[in-house]
Amino acid sequence: RKEVEQDPGPFNVPEGATVAFNCTYSNSASQSFFWYRQDCRKEPKLLMSVYSSGNEDGRFTAQLNRASQYISLLIRDSKLSDSATYLCVVNQGTGGGNKLTFGTGTQLKVEL
Amino acid sequence: NAGVTQTPKFRVLKTGQSMTLLCAQDMNHEYMYWYRQDPGMGLRLIHYSVGEGTTAKGEVPDGYNVSRLKKQNFLLGLESAAPSQTSVYFCASSSPGRMGETQYFGPGTRLLVL
Repeated sequence: RKEVEQDPGPFNVPEGATVAFNCTYSNSASQSFFWYRQDCRKEPKLLMSVYSSGNEDGRFTAQLNRASQYISLLIRDSKLSDSATYLCVVNQGTGGGNKLTFGTGTQLKVEL
Repeated sequence: NAGVTQTPKFRVLKTGQSMTLLCAQDMNHEYMYWYRQDPGMGLRLIHYSVGEGTTAKGEVPDGYNVSRLKKQNFLLGLESAAPSQTSVYFCASSSPGRMGETQYFGPGTRLLVL
């Protein structure tokens, strides 16, 4: 089983739609959780951290379910500029160095 | 601030050749990382460093060596390149502690080994 699993997609949605991605992680001792965004042929960039109580940043909402070991990202009112790959990222807290484990990513395509 | 920079941006090697990828950061970060990204595999950690003069192995260290002689630089070496090392290589940096969990990435180096 992969340490961090995501549906690769692609998710093709019309502009203005609401779309949700889920991610599961295998290590129950994982400490911190994040969503990164990666545009085509570019480097990953932090989109948002995921807190136990859930958190929102504009059109983006992230939630964590520790009991079921999954993380979600909800995007409301999708824009063309949201088209990218969304990486689910976990700090498993092992070995120091703030090492992160990345999922393979979910591709989103927002269309007119 | 330039953030994290990588050189070169693109390189073609023949099997058996050697090369060094350079990563530089101007954010005074303690931690630095080298990843490779392959289709369907996601980002995988090759080596990392928690400070000047220290390095450690990540998930896929075989065939690579690293050095961190200066805090701002992290070098990744391929002594004898193999076609399996064709990939996109990303360098990243961060600070210690919970506030430092955000990793800042360089633009990547695309390496093709023939």
